[in-house]
Amino acid sequence: DAGITQSPRHKVTETGTPVTLRCHQTENHRYMYWYRQDPGHGLRLIHYSYGVKDTDKGEVSDGYSVSRSKTEDFLLTLESATSSQTSVYFCAISDREGSGTNEKLFFGSGTQLSVL
Amino acid sequence: AQTVTQSQPEMSVQEAETVTLSCTYDTSENNYYLFWYKQPPSRQMILVIRQEAYKQQNATENRFSVNFQKAAKSFSLKISDSQLGDTAMYFCAFIENFGGSNYKLTFGKGTLLTVNP
Repeated sequence: DAGITQSPRHKVTETGTPVTLRCHQTENHRYMYWYRQDPGHGLRLIHYSYGVKDTDKGEVSDGYSVSRSKTEDFLLTLESATSSQTSVYFCAISDREGSGTNEKLFFGSGTQLSVL
Repeated sequence: AQTVTQSQPEMSVQEAETVTLSCTYDTSENNYYLFWYKQPPSRQMILVIRQEAYKQQNATENRFSVNFQKAAKSFSLKISDSQLGDTAMYFCAFIENFGGSNYKLTFGKGTLLTVNP
């Protein structure tokens, strides 16, 4: 299994508080992603990173920011959590290198975030 | 924009029988990858099968196989000899644009498959 760890696994917080989720990888992969999963919506991309300090927005980026100061860590921050951000958050990493002949994504175990 | 459509929110099948999950996608690219992921109640995302668009041969992995119709932009998953452990949410996913930094995986909304004893 790919070395990818999400923390925390579960978090309950109050509306208006800041929250940071962490994704840590030991694979030295270039691409890292944050998704949220909601019933009826599947997985939707929040932000992704294609290198250290290189990030871009996904389709549901409002209310979220990310940072990647080193290859192994990709942080997702909710500056002021809202109830609509209650969701399961998944981090994923890609082993895409060069010609892209071995495309595959590996997922973390997910973080269940509840905003009350 | 990339889109992936799974038209069957829920399906059920009897144990040992065969079931097919449908997926269609939209792209203007010629080179891309398609995936099926399985998510059991444990919430873990498990790669089931992968198909490269430039390969005409359909991918197979044991009891899992795909029917890839590039012209129709269709990518269905067939599960043969269904087992109780196949009960899960199944997601179709798509990735394109290998040449740039805009390298994103897009998911369908999922199909909940229940295998009945």
